[in-house]
Amino acid sequence: GENVEQHPSTLSVQEGDSAVIKCTYSDSASNYFPWYKQELGKRPQLIIDIRSNVGEKKDQRIAVTLNKTAKHFSLHITETQPEDSAVYFCAASSNNAGNMLTFGGGTRLMVKP
Amino acid sequence: NAGVMQNPRHLVRRRGQEARLRCSPMKGHSHVYWYRQLPEEGLKFMVYLQKENIIDESGMPKERFSAEFPKEGPSILRIQQVVRGDSAAYFCASSHSSGSTDTQYFGPGTRLTVL
Repeated sequence: GENVEQHPSTLSVQEGDSAVIKCTYSDSASNYFPWYKQELGKRPQLIIDIRSNVGEKKDQRIAVTLNKTAKHFSLHITETQPEDSAVYFCAASSNNAGNMLTFGGGTRLMVKP
Repeated sequence: NAGVMQNPRHLVRRRGQEARLRCSPMKGHSHVYWYRQLPEEGLKFMVYLQKENIIDESGMPKERFSAEFPKEGPSILRIQQVVRGDSAAYFCASSHSSGSTDTQYFGPGTRLTVL
C-alpha cells in the first residue's frame, strides 16, 4: 500500500520567514495530494491540493510543488504569520487504493512573533 | 451550507462498554470516510462507505469495530467492548463523488476517552 513520509516533524520560524514542508510517497499511481492544517483540538482543514496533471499550484502565500518522477511534493508558506502556527499534514490517494487518503506524520509549525 | 457534522464531540466510556459515533456528510455528498487519530499522530484510514454499502474497510480492526451508512440518517461507527487503546479522535470526512482526486472535507471529530 501507499506510504507517505513527512519532514520535518517540527519547524520553528520567525514571523515573516518562509516555511517548507516536504513529503515523499511510495505508490507511483497516486494522483491526488492535499495538504491539511489542523489547529489544536480542531478538524483538519484543507488549505491546498494538487493533482498529478500539474507541477505547481499557488494560492496567495501558500504554494505546493509536485515532482512525480521523484515521488515527492512540498508545501511552501511565505511571509509566515503567528496564525500559521498549527500541525500540517500532507496526504496522497490513488485510484488503485480506493479513495482513502494516506497521511504523513505531520509537521508542527511554530511561527515566532 | 452546513459542513460535515459529527456527534457527540466528546464521549467517555468505561472499558467493556459500547461507543457509537455519528457522522452526517455535507449536503450533496454520498461518500463517507472514517479516520482515527491517536494523540500526537497522523490520521489513519479506517473505512470508506457509500449509502448502504461498505466500499473499503481495510483499515478497520476485524473485531469489535463496525460501520454503516444507511439509506436514511447518518453514518455510524460502532465500537463494541471498548478498551483503553481505543481512546483517540475519530474523524469522518465526506466527498461528492468517488474519484480519488475528489476533495474530502472533515468533520470536527469525536474524542473518545475510555476509562
